Amino acid sequence: AIQMTQSPSSLSASVGDRVTITCRASQVIRNDLGWYQQKPGKAPKLLIYAASSLQSGVPSRFSGSRSGTDFTLTISSLQPEDFAIYYCLQDYDYPLTFGQGTKVEI
Amino acid sequence: EVQLVQSGAEVKKPGESLKISCQASGYIFSNYYIAWVRQMPGKGLEWMGIFYPADSDTIYSPSFEGQVTISADKSINTAYLQWSSLKATDSAMYYCARRRRVAAAGPFYFDYWGQGTLVTVSS
Repeated sequence: AIQMTQSPSSLSASVGDRVTITCRASQVIRNDLGWYQQKPGKAPKLLIYAASSLQSGVPSRFSGSRSGTDFTLTISSLQPEDFAIYYCLQDYDYPLTFGQGTKVEI
Repeated sequence: EVQLVQSGAEVKKPGESLKISCQASGYIFSNYYIAWVRQMPGKGLEWMGIFYPADSDTIYSPSFEGQVTISADKSINTAYLQWSSLKATDSAMYYCARRRRVAAAGPFYFDYWGQGTLVTVSS
């Protein structure tokens, strides 16, 4: 199975900060990666698909990029509503695998 | 408007059977995969499996194969996740999600999610 190593597991940041979260795949997965945001008690929400495409309705402060098997989610200017847990998901091969999650805290 | 509406919370005893549902609306149900995702209390997301209503193609994660059954009833646009004999370790939140792809051979992603069904298994 493809392993998705997500880092950091948690981070503390302030409103206005630039935040970067990384997922490293254990093998090549092309661009078959999405980023999801989950707030407490809520279902996950799609932010980025195909590594770098912004889902409709998602603020432009969210962006995704890829360098080889490393994938990055960037929040350019953290807003109060962005405090949540973020997951990557590879959809290149079965079994599909999530990263362990990154908790973004104040 | 695309919606996935899941059945309500369940409290069961070990050894009991259970079938939870995910009713889709706002799109052609047969044309998109439905995925199931588990989230144990305080833990991350785990992919359980997917089902393609058009041809009933089903793929399970090795971690869940033989432990659950994924199915659907196309006539009522509803997908199911079922257990024949629940264990305490099945206590978790379960989400369904629609899986679509960018283009014919493009990447897949989960664009719509149900609200989740909380399953509690306790004697």
